Amino acid sequence: DAGVTQSPTHLIKTRGQHVTLRCSPISGHKSVSWYQQVLGQGPQFIFQYYEKEERGRGNFPDRFSARQFPNYSSELNVNALLLGDSALYLCASRPGQGSEQYFGPGTRLTVT
Amino acid sequence: AQTVTQSQPEMSVQEAETVTLSCTYDTSENNYYLFWYKQPPSRQMILVIRQEAYKQQNATENRFSVNFQKAAKSFSLKISDSQLGDTAMYFCASSTPFYFGNEKLTFGTGTRLTIIP
Repeated sequence: DAGVTQSPTHLIKTRGQHVTLRCSPISGHKSVSWYQQVLGQGPQFIFQYYEKEERGRGNFPDRFSARQFPNYSSELNVNALLLGDSALYLCASRPGQGSEQYFGPGTRLTVT
Repeated sequence: AQTVTQSQPEMSVQEAETVTLSCTYDTSENNYYLFWYKQPPSRQMILVIRQEAYKQQNATENRFSVNFQKAAKSFSLKISDSQLGDTAMYFCASSTPFYFGNEKLTFGTGTRLTIIP
């Protein structure tokens, strides 16, 4: 069975640009969460979506937004990129409440 | 709000030895889960072990076991018979209760574990 997939693997953007990161959950998983992992730190929660509705939001500015599609895949959008947005962005999926999260390999974003 | 603290930034141990990674947490919730995740250089975050807070029995998964002290809010990971493949960053994490699908993981800063041949 395919695990959580994320695209792209790496990308480089310039300050002020916009970026879209994509995540496909494991088949049958209806919940997707996004985390930001700055180098040398633990992941920080950004968003959770369950059944296409936002169920949780971390302490991130409004430049960060996300959505979940009918097939449960998800996009994370970041506007007006700052150097501090450089990080590994992790997506995780779970089948439902009370179950473990399965992480994807992440997207490494570098902002120059 | 939940907080997770890992006070050992780096550890190393000889292959086949036992090592214990420390974690303390703080939460006002009665119902929560605790986790240890492993992140090798490949970046993939892999669940090592999980503990339900309402269970007194410590979780075990093969060579991995935890020492869960609820009153002390301590959750340490013991790796027995350590192997070279155990070399990775290890993150302790807690989760909020499962209301309406809102399940946020709060991570510590990690412990870099190196297994020496």
